[in-house]
Amino acid sequence: DSGVTQTPKHLITATGQRVTLRCSPRSGDLSVYWYQQSLDQGLQFLIQYYNGEERAKGNILERFSAQQFPDLHSELNLSSLELGDSALYFCASSELRSEAFFGQGTRLTVV
Amino acid sequence: AQSVTQPDIHITVSEGASLELRCNYSYGATPYLFWYVQSPGQGLQLLLKYFSGDTLVQGIKGFEAEFKRSQSSFNLRKPSVHWSDAAEYFCAVGQHNFGNEKLTFGTGTRLTIIP
Repeated sequence: DSGVTQTPKHLITATGQRVTLRCSPRSGDLSVYWYQQSLDQGLQFLIQYYNGEERAKGNILERFSAQQFPDLHSELNLSSLELGDSALYFCASSELRSEAFFGQGTRLTVV
Repeated sequence: AQSVTQPDIHITVSEGASLELRCNYSYGATPYLFWYVQSPGQGLQLLLKYFSGDTLVQGIKGFEAEFKRSQSSFNLRKPSVHWSDAAEYFCAVGQHNFGNEKLTFGTGTRLTIIP
C-alpha cells in the first residue's frame, strides 16, 4: 500500500460527459501529480500541484483541469469526454525532491 | 527536454534465470532515476531510485540497478527471477527543479516468466 488513495477505481461514462477523479496523497506529502496511462501514449505527465499551487503542466488538454485543496487532496476534472480519453489515470504524491508514490489508479472508460 | 528509452518491449525469461532490463535516458544534468513495476490492474510500485552517490543501487524484491553516466544508462538487474516478477517495468527520469519533480517515463518492458 503506497498510502495514496484514488477514487473511484472504475468509471464508465458517456461521451460529452464530465467526471471528477479524486486523490488523497500520503500523509505529509505536499506535491500531487496526475498521470495518464493509455495504450497509444504510454504514461504521460498531466499536471503537478505543490501545497495548493499549480507547479508544472504537461500534456494536459484544455478540457481537463485540476486543483489541490487546503487539506492537500486533489481532484482532476475531465469534461466533454471523448472516446480517446479512456485511460488509466494515476495520482502520485511526494515530498520535495523525493520519489513519487502512486495510487492504484482510476480506470476511465468513455462509451 | 528529458527522455527515456527502453529498447525492449517484451522480454521472456525462464524462472531462476538472471534478468537485465535496459534503460537509456537523456537529461542535461545529473538525473534522478527510478524503476517502477506495474502488475496487471495495479498501480506503479517503486523498485529503486538513484539520486546521487553510489552508482549501484539496491531495491526491493532483490532488484538492483547501475547508473552509468558515460553510457546514459540505468539498467535493472536481478540474479534469479521468480514467477511473481512477471509484470511491466518502467524506467523514469525526474527533474531536480524545486517543487517540480515530474517524471518522464519510458514505454515500459513487459516481462514474461516461463517455468
